[in-house]
Amino acid sequence: GQQLNQSPQSMFIQEGEDVSMNCTSSSIFNTWLWYKQDPGEGPVLLIALYKAGELTSNGRLTAQFGITRKDSFLNISASIPSDVGIYFCAGRKSNNDMRFGAGTRLTVKP
Amino acid sequence: EAQVTQNPRYLITVTGKKLTVTCSQNMNHEYMSWYRQDPGLGLRQIYYSMNVEVTDKGDVPEGYKVSRKEKRNFPLILESPSPNQTSLYFCASSFGPLNSPLHFGNGTRLTVT
Repeated sequence: GQQLNQSPQSMFIQEGEDVSMNCTSSSIFNTWLWYKQDPGEGPVLLIALYKAGELTSNGRLTAQFGITRKDSFLNISASIPSDVGIYFCAGRKSNNDMRFGAGTRLTVKP
Repeated sequence: EAQVTQNPRYLITVTGKKLTVTCSQNMNHEYMSWYRQDPGLGLRQIYYSMNVEVTDKGDVPEGYKVSRKEKRNFPLILESPSPNQTSLYFCASSFGPLNSPLHFGNGTRLTVT
């Protein structure tokens, strides 16, 4: 099945900079989720979005559920070294079909 | 502590030797699922289970089997592993199929030679 289109694939930023990544699809989703994966660990949920247009924050992280229900973005403000990792978006349809993006690998230089 | 536990964390085996990766969750979740993660492909669903004795194929079920005899356990079985099943495997669970975020285990890295 078609996975989500996540971009960028990787980012190299300086500590303190803001980060933005997004996911798009040709399909409509009921739920958008953003996960972070550290090396050797499973993905950990960062933010869950349940309504079109919803904007939700979790500390320095902000995510939005696109109004068309076909996209979502994640912003990280004032990045710090521990933000390093792989960030995944996931979309869930009404029939429970769940799709994942290929991930954005974030590197933060001190 | 609420968690999803997979075992083993690492496994190296040979082609054709049957193996089982166990998954257990202590959150009374109804929904459980297995994924494989390969470079550049993200997470792809192998099988999922909506509840006890209910299992369904995901996107890449070929070469895998699962069972859900108890609510807390969802083992992944490779009857005759092949090298193309070398991958990082994740088990995940959630309360229900809709509007309930998945909680992931820490992964099992499988190498089939």
